[in-house]
Amino acid sequence: EDQVTQSPEALRLQEGESSSLNCSYTVSGLRGLFWYRQDPGKGPEFLFTLYSAGEEKEKERLKATLTKKESFLHITAPKPEDSATYLCAVQGLFQTGANNLFFGTGTRLTVIP
Amino acid sequence: ETGVTQTPRHLVMGMTNKKSLKCEQHLGHNAMYWYKQSAKKPLELMFVYNFKEQTENNSVPSRFSPECPNSSHLFLHLHTLQPEDSALYLCASSQAQGTGSGYTFGSGTRLTVV
Repeated sequence: EDQVTQSPEALRLQEGESSSLNCSYTVSGLRGLFWYRQDPGKGPEFLFTLYSAGEEKEKERLKATLTKKESFLHITAPKPEDSATYLCAVQGLFQTGANNLFFGTGTRLTVIP
Repeated sequence: ETGVTQTPRHLVMGMTNKKSLKCEQHLGHNAMYWYKQSAKKPLELMFVYNFKEQTENNSVPSRFSPECPNSSHLFLHLHTLQPEDSALYLCASSQAQGTGSGYTFGSGTRLTVV
């Protein structure tokens, strides 16, 4: 069964303190792995798509990487405005509903000034 | 207007009421989705529509009834809900199924059942 596990559940960082969020997944053939950012009371906002092991994507202070079993979202020198919940989702090649995304529970990041 | 728009943003309803959630997308996408988001749980896929045809009903109770009149509009009709149905309901859209594309989400409807 396809599964996504994110850790830690919550993370508090001082402004400028770099860290990484983890997304471990099991899927019967990976079509894509997605990172989203969600602010309170809003829908998830797309950040990155990764398709194959070794791939990396960057956007401002965020960098996403992918291996065959997990993905990391690295946050370099975070600012308070990076505070949000970060969601990871996978899309499998063989699951029913070929476009369906399966989400983890997210990591709630708080950056303290 | 661009993106995915959901209305209303907030809804409080009694257990005997009937209400509808509306979702509209202006992205030219052909697949639309309803998700339920509850505290400390992953987003739960409820329904999938691809080119206006329902392709998945993820064992959702019949008190939730989706409607997709065209590729740009999606509704979720609600009746005789239970307090445990209180949650954030998210609509999303994407390119047609099988393209490996991500979703664009709306801001959601915060539903409270009293």
